[in-house]
Amino acid sequence: AQSVTQLGSHVSVSEGALVLLRCNYSSSVPPYLFWYVQYPNQGLQLLLKYTSAATLVKGINGFEAEFKKSETSFHLTKPSAHMSDAAEYFCAVSKGGGSYIPTFGRGTSLIVHP
Amino acid sequence: DAGVIQSPRHEVTEMGQEVTLRCKPISGHDYLFWYRQTMMRGLELLIYFNNNVPIDDSGMPEDRFSAKMPNASFSTLKIQPSEPRDSAVYFCASSHGSEVFYNSPLHFGNGTRLTVT
Repeated sequence: AQSVTQLGSHVSVSEGALVLLRCNYSSSVPPYLFWYVQYPNQGLQLLLKYTSAATLVKGINGFEAEFKKSETSFHLTKPSAHMSDAAEYFCAVSKGGGSYIPTFGRGTSLIVHP
Repeated sequence: DAGVIQSPRHEVTEMGQEVTLRCKPISGHDYLFWYRQTMMRGLELLIYFNNNVPIDDSGMPEDRFSAKMPNASFSTLKIQPSEPRDSAVYFCASSHGSEVFYNSPLHFGNGTRLTVT
């Protein structure tokens, strides 16, 4: 079975500081990995996705994530946080190839202080 | 592209009443998903459809919940009778089949916030 673990239900940073949101996955086959963002009172939106083409994936709004197979991780980073980045972030994994349905992590709430 | 449209945005009802949530997927998408989001359980997949046919409803909590997709542009999630523990945000999402087995993201609606008193 596939699963993801997001370490830390809340992460607090100052505006301009590095953002690091952690995600570890468990999958019996090479996975497809996603990060979604949820702003207040909205649905989830895709930030970026990993599909084995490159280990470093760039997404929208300056976010990127690196796939590390040896660590089974797919952490999300952004060099400099903006107030507008405050939201809930979800990591998701799917196996693809017939077992598409993604499994979501519990989410990490990013708080950005001025 | 109008995105996935859900209605109503908010629903407040009394215990025992029937509740119907509605979803219009993105045109051309052939997968439709219903999720429930709560603080306690996070994001849970309730059921999903492919080409209007229910494929997996193992996430539906109990017989009080039912979902239908009469055509490619409309789906409903019904709770009858509703209970306070059903209070949650319910999301509909859709996806395009040709991407499904590779890197298809889900496109979510803005959700329906259900409160059962």
